[in-house]
Amino acid sequence: AAGVIQSPRHLIKEKRETATLKCYPIPRHDTVYWYQQGPGQDPQFLISFYEKMQSDKGSIPDRFSAQQFSDYHSELNMSSLELGDSALYFCASSQLAGSDYEQYFGPGTRLTVT
Amino acid sequence: GEDVEQSLFLSVREGDSSVINCTYTDSSSTYLYWYKQEPGAGLQLLTYIFSNMDMKQDQRLTVLLNKKDKHLSLRIADTQTGDSAIYFCAERGAGGSYIPTFGRGTSLIVHP
Repeated sequence: AAGVIQSPRHLIKEKRETATLKCYPIPRHDTVYWYQQGPGQDPQFLISFYEKMQSDKGSIPDRFSAQQFSDYHSELNMSSLELGDSALYFCASSQLAGSDYEQYFGPGTRLTVT
Repeated sequence: GEDVEQSLFLSVREGDSSVINCTYTDSSSTYLYWYKQEPGAGLQLLTYIFSNMDMKQDQRLTVLLNKKDKHLSLRIADTQTGDSAIYFCAERGAGGSYIPTFGRGTSLIVHP
């Protein structure tokens, strides 16, 4: 079965640079969620989109923005990167319109800021 | 997170049963989940239970829910080395948000 795809899988950036993470949800899933997981931490919810509109907002810094496109893929844009942004970034998808509320996670993008 | 608590480590011998415990604070939780995370990988949904159930069994996995004590457990029978991973408990409330709140994860180490 198709899973959530995230790219890139690994990314190394310097402080103050910009990064863009991409997420391709499971086909027919209409909702995308972004999470940040620091070392030894639980996943922290950042933001979600349902049918290309922002649906929930969590602890996403103002330096980050995200959007969902017409093909339902989503991008997380991170600017003015800080050392503390180094983490694993997960995308998850679900199909709310089909009442499949459960979130299926991608493999994550490991971002290292040096 | 603070609202969902788990012990950080559990070590068991291969072939034994593992029991991972979780407590949560939100009495309106409707869904409770167990996720598995292997090193360097994403979160895999193992199983979930509705709050109106007290037990769910799925092959080697048994989930027990004590709603009165807000206590959730995951029992893995005949634990194998491939079960070594971090197990996250998560809960989702009834308020219309589909965002689960995760615990800090329990690192399960299975040794021969």
